[in-house]
Amino acid sequence: SQKIEQNSEALNIQEGKTATLTCNYTNYSPAYLQWYRQDPGRGPVFLLLIRENEKEKRKERLKVTFDTTLKQSLFHITASQPADSATYLCALDGNTGFQKLVFGTGTRLLVSP
Amino acid sequence: EPEVTQTPSHQVTQMGQEVILRCVPISNHLYFYWYRQILGQKVEFLVSFYNNEISEKSEIFDDQFSVERPDGSNFTLKIRSTKLEDSAMYFCASILGETEAFFGQGTRLTVV
Repeated sequence: SQKIEQNSEALNIQEGKTATLTCNYTNYSPAYLQWYRQDPGRGPVFLLLIRENEKEKRKERLKVTFDTTLKQSLFHITASQPADSATYLCALDGNTGFQKLVFGTGTRLLVSP
Repeated sequence: EPEVTQTPSHQVTQMGQEVILRCVPISNHLYFYWYRQILGQKVEFLVSFYNNEISEKSEIFDDQFSVERPDGSNFTLKIRSTKLEDSAMYFCASILGETEAFFGQGTRLTVV
């Protein structure tokens, strides 16, 4: 069955460092992959979308890579700030044509000053 | 900036009661969704709605659940007879096409 895995352990880093989060998937051929940020008690907020024919996408301090051979996406936040502390969700399209998203469990990022 | 709005933000209901969760998606969007998130767990797809009908639903979305878009702006999720295990955050989302999803802030449903 389709599976999306994100590191369930929290990632603790120091302010100013680069945070790298991983999303692995199996039994899947997504047309695109998205990353969302979720703060406690709030809805997911879209960050970046990368399509299957794209290797890398950037937006300000964020960078996403997508390796369809490895079935993996890496999400990087450079020059991290305490305000970046949140849970980051990887989401893949559900391959059904109606654009539903299938989410990973998310990785909690804690950036300390 | 356009946003998806959900009401109420928190709903407490007795087991067996009916609840209606309301959402106003972004006006020019075409696809509408309900997701839920049980505390500490992942966001799970419930149902998608396109062209005024359900386009896909998950195993969770059984006969106790229904959705409606009664007036072209509101999008509702009804749970006919709530169970304790229905307690969760329910998120409405909308998208224009093959783009990012805009999520509402959620309704926290507590079934007692």
